[in-house]
Amino acid sequence: DQQVKQNSPSLSVQEGRISILNCDYTNSMFDYFLWYKKYPAEGPTFLISISSIKDKNEDGRFTVFLNKSAKHLSLHIVPSQPGDSAVYFCAASDPYGNKLVFGAGTILRVKS
Amino acid sequence: NAGVMQNPRHLVRRRGQEARLRCSPMKGHSHVYWYRQLPEEGLKFMVYLQKENIIDESGMPKERFSAEFPKEGPSILRIQQVVRGDSAAYFCASSSRQGGFYEQYFGPGTRLTVT
Repeated sequence: DQQVKQNSPSLSVQEGRISILNCDYTNSMFDYFLWYKKYPAEGPTFLISISSIKDKNEDGRFTVFLNKSAKHLSLHIVPSQPGDSAVYFCAASDPYGNKLVFGAGTILRVKS
Repeated sequence: NAGVMQNPRHLVRRRGQEARLRCSPMKGHSHVYWYRQLPEEGLKFMVYLQKENIIDESGMPKERFSAEFPKEGPSILRIQQVVRGDSAAYFCASSSRQGGFYEQYFGPGTRLTVT
């Protein structure tokens, strides 16, 4: 039962353009969402998060949008840089924060 | 370095042996989580611990797996009588859970190979 889905296994973007990574969830009890970036042979690195009481959160080049009615969130990276090439994981937390439920990840390739 | 530490980074075990994976949380963090990542999949929650307490072990296999976070020292994930299907990357994360924020910070992982 995949409660968090990242339907695009990979995404290729030109340097300087916008990268948009998408994530859908099914459990309406999730109330906190996070994006992680992961390089091969390393642990996930926390990027940005958003509470369900907000619809947008910005941090530098990274913006996360949350649409609760559609159970959908997206991560925008502007401008994209070659160093952004990695696997991006969407994760969701229930109100108790005891665990994160991860999507399967999207491989982002930024071409220079 | 105040990050989450895991050791060993790579562990090779023969079928039937025991595997012990260690995790030291970030300084100031008292909440530890273990996740497993199988090839081509996302991370799957295994267990959540605080010092001397298991809070949520709903993701732990019923047999052969155990976890602890003693009062002193690192958290340990123990796998007894390993089988080939246990081969995976095991990640530890920690958080402070202060202010209602639940960001978890991950270590570099231990890659377990069962031969």
